[in-house]
Amino acid sequence: QSALTQPASVSGSPGQSITISCTGTSSDIGAYNYVSWYQQHPGKAPKLIMYDVSKRPSGVSTHFSGSKSGNTASLTISGLQAEDEAEYYCASYTTSSTFVFGGGTDLTVL
Amino acid sequence: EVQLVESGGGLVQPGGSLRLSCAASGFTVSSKFMSWVRQAPGKGLEWVSVIYSGDNTYYADSVKGRFTISRDNSKNTLYLQMNRLRAEDTAVYYCARDNDSSGFPQHWGQGTLVTVSS
Repeated sequence: QSALTQPASVSGSPGQSITISCTGTSSDIGAYNYVSWYQQHPGKAPKLIMYDVSKRPSGVSTHFSGSKSGNTASLTISGLQAEDEAEYYCASYTTSSTFVFGGGTDLTVL
Repeated sequence: EVQLVESGGGLVQPGGSLRLSCAASGFTVSSKFMSWVRQAPGKGLEWVSVIYSGDNTYYADSVKGRFTISRDNSKNTLYLQMNRLRAEDTAVYYCARDNDSSGFPQHWGQGTLVTVSS
């Protein structure tokens, strides 16, 4: 149950697009289309912004999008906004019927 | 409205035990996938355990054999019994309910802090 691999930090200017990668193995990301993404602001509980690779929960902005190729999933934020500055975590269901999170990516809006 | 309220956190000595509770409202815990997720101070999220609607339970390797997830349907409450606690178990523990369309946690409580220290 090793954590999924994410870049420690990414940054972008308002209006730009950024992509956060999340790399796992054939036992998690590569096994199913069950990948999710969470946004967490300091001192707050995580918020689910993407599930099943590319599905957005009701109320989540359409400028978030998700994709997957092989053992790597990606979250793209288009039209970066100041309020997007947060920590982002990927998560995957595994072949052991468990879940695993990534280490988190700190997004800075310049 | 879905609400989850955790309680039971606190300071405990290494080797000790603690039971966390998560009181749910707005839905029935027995019909949903319920998870515990923790976050050590200044660190990332770590999935801890899940109980599925069929009562199957699963654990992270780091807590297997020490933690037990359960629920009391009559009280609509989720529990996490934590035994043989270690310093590295220090974290905010979140209770979470699944997304209606997938098993991923979508609805979260406010968290309860567990500190393991002598």
